[in-house]
Amino acid sequence: RKEVEQDPGPFNVPEGATVAFNCTYSNSASQSFFWYRQDCRKEPKLLMSVYSSGNEDGRFTAQLNRASQYISLLIRDSKLSDSATYLCVVLTYNQGGKLIFGQGTELSVKP
Amino acid sequence: GAGVSQSPSNKVTEKGKDVELRCDPISGHTALYWYRQSLGQGLEFLIYFQGNSAPDKSGLPSDRFSAERTGGSVSTLTIQRTQQEDSAVYLCASSVQGALGEQYFGPGTRLTVT
Repeated sequence: RKEVEQDPGPFNVPEGATVAFNCTYSNSASQSFFWYRQDCRKEPKLLMSVYSSGNEDGRFTAQLNRASQYISLLIRDSKLSDSATYLCVVLTYNQGGKLIFGQGTELSVKP
Repeated sequence: GAGVSQSPSNKVTEKGKDVELRCDPISGHTALYWYRQSLGQGLEFLIYFQGNSAPDKSGLPSDRFSAERTGGSVSTLTIQRTQQEDSAVYLCASSVQGALGEQYFGPGTRLTVT
């Protein structure tokens, strides 16, 4: 079983739609969580950190459920520019600060 | 300011040859990571340097792979006797100690082994 698992998609949605991505992690000692975005043939970039109480950044909302070892990302009012692959990332300090990346979920927003 | 840079951006090599990939992290970033990404796949962790500590080499796929970081800054990833399955994009990232999750990636080196 992979340490971080995501639905690879692709998710094809129309502009303006709300879309949610899910991610599960297997190491209960994991302590920090992030969502990264990767555009086609580009390097990943940090989208947002995920806090225990949940957090929002504009149209993006991230949530964490430690009991279920589950992380989510909600995108409201999708834009064409949101088309990318979204990577769920987990940091476990007892592994020395190594980040574990999920395989990514591909999103395609259509006009 | 300057971001993470990597060179070369593309490398085509023949099977069996050695290659060296270079990464210049952001100045002041003590943590440096190497990842590999094959076409359509996720990021595979290779190796992690943190300050003067011994590197975490747990992700290196075989003893043909090695990396060093000189002076706490520039890093070189070396692949000896390259194989076709080594073809991938090799990404370097750096971060500060207090924010290991906030990694800044370089543009990558696309390695093709023929």
